Amino acid sequence: QVQLVESGGGLVKPGGSLRLSCAASGFTFTDHYMSWIRQSPGERPEWLSYISAYSNYIDYADSVKGRFSISRDNARTSIFLQMDNLRAEDTAVYYCVRGGSNWEFWGPGTLVTVSS
Amino acid sequence: EVVLTQSPGTLSLSPGERASVSCRASQTIANNYLAWYQQRPGQAPRLLIRNTSNRATGIPDRFSGSGSGTDFTLTISRLEPEDFAIYYCQQYSSSPRTFGQGTKVEI
Repeated sequence: QVQLVESGGGLVKPGGSLRLSCAASGFTFTDHYMSWIRQSPGERPEWLSYISAYSNYIDYADSVKGRFSISRDNARTSIFLQMDNLRAEDTAVYYCVRGGSNWEFWGPGTLVTVSS
Repeated sequence: EVVLTQSPGTLSLSPGERASVSCRASQTIANNYLAWYQQRPGQAPRLLIRNTSNRATGIPDRFSGSGSGTDFTLTISRLEPEDFAIYYCQQYSSSPRTFGQGTKVEI
């Protein structure tokens, strides 16, 4: 069965950095785009970024462009989100999801809190 | 950016009743690339419908989707207790992918 497990969340000060990881299993990893989506409490989900199977195509939401960077390691069936210059408004649960368009498989999420 | 506006914000219904949630887009959704999700408290969103009207794997047939262009609807034919949740529409016809603000279906 498809499993996505995020890690790397935590408390960070404004201006700091975090690197999220997502370990994927149960499917052919190189057949799929992968994405990151976040959701702040009481808010709608927000798509952040996607990456194609061999990293040829990458896109970002304007809210994170220039601060966040997505990558993947197909040998380790994992994706990553490097988050720099974090702001209070980046506080959210961050989800790893399979696909680049609509998303049937979600991880349980990892909480990122940006606060001094 | 495609802005999705859902209505109503909250729907107060009883089990067994029919629920209809509307999603209006600020521009035409090409190829009917619209999805619907259900989210229960403390859980990740769950894909219900993709491509406007195609149910995802394991989704009961009381959930249906319709629409085209800029106007889309999610219908739940007979509400079960587990259907009381928040519902979001989402478009993937263009980047950035965007979600509606959500509709809460409550008892």
